[in-house]
Amino acid sequence: EVQLVESGGVLVQPGGSLRLSCAAAGYIFSRYWMHWVRQAPGKGLVWVSRINEDGTTIDYADSVKGRFTISRDNAKNTLYLQMNSLRAEDTAVYYCARDVAGGDDYWGQGTLVTVS
Amino acid sequence: DIVMTQSPLSLPVTPGEPASISCRSSQSLLHDNGNHFFSWYLQKPGQSPQVLIYWASNRASGVPDRFSGSGAGTDFTLKISRVQAEDVGVYYCMQGLQTPYTFGQGTKLEIK
Repeated sequence: EVQLVESGGVLVQPGGSLRLSCAAAGYIFSRYWMHWVRQAPGKGLVWVSRINEDGTTIDYADSVKGRFTISRDNAKNTLYLQMNSLRAEDTAVYYCARDVAGGDDYWGQGTLVTVS
Repeated sequence: DIVMTQSPLSLPVTPGEPASISCRSSQSLLHDNGNHFFSWYLQKPGQSPQVLIYWASNRASGVPDRFSGSGAGTDFTLKISRVQAEDVGVYYCMQGLQTPYTFGQGTKLEIK
């Protein structure tokens, strides 16, 4: 069974930093693109970032470019999101997701980041 | 960025009746490989999103066959042949043709 378990979400002050983790299990992690998508309270879905199978191709939404860094450790089956210079508008549930738009989509349950 | 526009935003449906949601993109979602990089998601209350349809018309694994997707270019439709109580939630369309991936505003389906 595929599992994606996010962790690391906490209450942090504006300007602070945080690292989210997403532990993958039940499939060959290194064979898939991975994504972060966020959802502010009561709002819709917003794509944040993606990384390819070996970490050589990375893209970001303009709203987080220069502040967030996506990375992965295929030996540990883990996806990361380093979040710096956090703002109130970064408050959201952050989902990690596999193969978004690729046909083998799977999303984790999310972790809540509150910037206040 | 590609803009995704859904309609309607609210959809009350009687159980057993059909339902339809439309999504329009600001540019064609046709990839060079012949697929449309377009997906439909359902986010049930308190849950994470789950894919229903990918590449515009392919039903994801485990999705009931009452869900179907159609469309091409910039116009896409999700149809539910007979709505069931378990189908309540917010439906999102999404384009994955180019970054940033973008989502529609969401359509909230409720049972009458």
